[in-house]
Order: sequence, then structure tokens, then C-alpha cells
Amino acid sequence: DGGITQSPKYLFRKEGQNVTLSCEQNLNHDAMYWYRQDPGQGLRLIYYSQIVNDFQKGDIAEGYSVSREKKESFPLTVTSAQKNPTAFYLCASKQREKNTGELFFGEGSRLTVL
Amino acid sequence: DAKTTQPNSMESNEEEPVHLPCNHSTISGTDYIHWYRQLPSQGPEYVIHGLTSNVNNRMASLAIAEDRKSSTLILHRATLRDAAVYYCILRPGAGSYQLTFGKGTKLSVIP
Repeated sequence: DGGITQSPKYLFRKEGQNVTLSCEQNLNHDAMYWYRQDPGQGLRLIYYSQIVNDFQKGDIAEGYSVSREKKESFPLTVTSAQKNPTAFYLCASKQREKNTGELFFGEGSRLTVL
Repeated sequence: DAKTTQPNSMESNEEEPVHLPCNHSTISGTDYIHWYRQLPSQGPEYVIHGLTSNVNNRMASLAIAEDRKSSTLILHRATLRDAAVYYCILRPGAGSYQLTFGKGTKLSVIP
């Protein structure tokens, strides 16, 4: 079945370590997004990419980095510069041409910094 | 960015209709109204969207006020599986496609 796969589902890291969250989609979507969600809060946009080899910062990009070398993949690195990285991270994608189309989300990765 | 206002929480009895309100008094003429829902510990899922006219799909109905300053998501018969946080979002019709998710309305369904 087509969809978005995020891994790992749960991740623990020590302070000062970088960690990379994987996001893979087989929906043939051009655009991909990373959101962060804190408990009881809405989603905040970290980075998005509308096409391979191109990406833009969202509202809270500081302390994060991304790459988009392949259409199917949009990994997110949480760097040691991110002051409060413990959160639920969500990846999403959509077809770029369908400007009113829906976003498809993965099941999320929960990162806990010890 | 245009903003929306939703109640923090609502309750409904199982098998009864649910009307989830959303106010968006600063909506512009080209803003689309999107609704998503999020079950616990999962990613959001698309529910419905519209521009000016009321919309129906297999999940829900969207009623848009004539002046577009408010809308209502209607679940015709609530089930326990409908218990989730519902987000009402405005998306500009032009420019890059970005959705800004607020806190939404937490819907509880009582058996």
C-alpha cells in the first residue's frame, strides 16, 4: 500500500548528540514537510521541500537540518543546537500540482532527550 | 496569516450528530478552509476542505457561512473512533502550500 513511513517510532538520545529521523514515501509526491508537535499543542512547521534538491525553512528551523536528494526521502536531523528537542515529529507529503490537495502524514517519531 | 478560533473541547454521545464550529473572521477571498483530525499518538488525517460552497464526503460535511467568517464540520453519527483533535485551518489560495495547525478541538465521544 502507498503511504509515508517514519522511523524510528521512538528514539532516545543523550544531550549533545545529533539524531536523524527518516521519512520515506511511495506516493510519488513532490512536496514533503516536517512538523514538530509538543504535548497539548498544534503542529509547527520545521522545513518543507517542494522538489528534489530544494527545501525551505519553516517557522522553527533553528537547530534542524534536512536534505532532499531523492523524491521519496526527506530525512530530518535534529542537531545538538536544538535547545529543546524532546517532541513528536511528523512528516507529511502532497502532490505539488494539486494546490488544494490534502497532506498525507506519517505516524510520527517520538524523540526523547535524556 | 489568517487565524481560526475553535473551542478547546467538546463532547458528544455516540451515534448522535456533532457540529464542530470554527471562526475565521479575517479570512480572505482566496483562503481555503481545511479540516484535519488527529487520533492519539498518530499523524493528522485529512477530513474535508472547501472554499465557498458546502461540501460533503464520506467522512463529514462542511457548512460554510455565507460571509465565510465561520464554518462548521458536521459528523453525522459520532462513533468512538471519531474521538480525536479536530483542526480547522485556513490555507491561502496563492503562494506555497503551507498549513498552520492550531490547538484544535478535542472531541470526546461518550458511549
